[in-house]
Amino acid sequence: GAVVSQHPSWVICKSGTSVKIECRSLDFQATTMFWYRQFPKQSLMLMATSNEGSKATYEQGVEKDKFLINHASLTLSTLTVTSAHPEDSSFYICSARDSDGGARETQYFGPGTRLLVL
Amino acid sequence: GDSVTQMEGPVTLSEEAFLTINCTYTATGYPSLFWYVQYPGEGLQLLLKATKADDKGSNKGFEATYRKETISFHLEKGSVQVSDSAVYFCALSDRDFGFGNVLHCGSGTQVIVLP
Repeated sequence: GAVVSQHPSWVICKSGTSVKIECRSLDFQATTMFWYRQFPKQSLMLMATSNEGSKATYEQGVEKDKFLINHASLTLSTLTVTSAHPEDSSFYICSARDSDGGARETQYFGPGTRLLVL
Repeated sequence: GDSVTQMEGPVTLSEEAFLTINCTYTATGYPSLFWYVQYPGEGLQLLLKATKADDKGSNKGFEATYRKETISFHLEKGSVQVSDSAVYFCALSDRDFGFGNVLHCGSGTQVIVLP
């Protein structure tokens, strides 16, 4: 089946650090990838939709200058949390939509990246 | 638990000078070691890595050798350029690839290279 990977799985960094999280579709091409955030005991919250070759579309309330998204290829999207602070500590999950189209437009989720900012 | 300690900055030096940033680590297993670099206004980028003892990682003229006997992974460059001005982070991961890796960052060392 389709596999989506994220790197790294955990990031523990000092406040003020900018951290880049990679999301890769390993065996399919994804023109669209999604970035979610999940706080403890809460459901996934969509942050932005990442489209290959164009600017990401951010959900209301998500700071685009804080969470930089780049979707440079059909298999890679990156989320950079700029100048991370403790309140940015969360679980970040990406998903990729198979661009084969039709019935195969299923979202496949990565395993998530847990960011802890000290 | 696992941790990384690196020298505090800022480190200020002239162009073409020799750079060393010390990094030591504490780990219960056999981690992979990384140096990340953050250029002004950008996110963390992997500079180099070493996955086992005595391995030497190298990239862009930078080198670091995984020394298990001294639990160190010092970063060196023989001749720095102004463009090397950045913040450098030493990091440790308990796995090298794939899922489940944990990345522990050092506190970062700012390097300022003057022309």
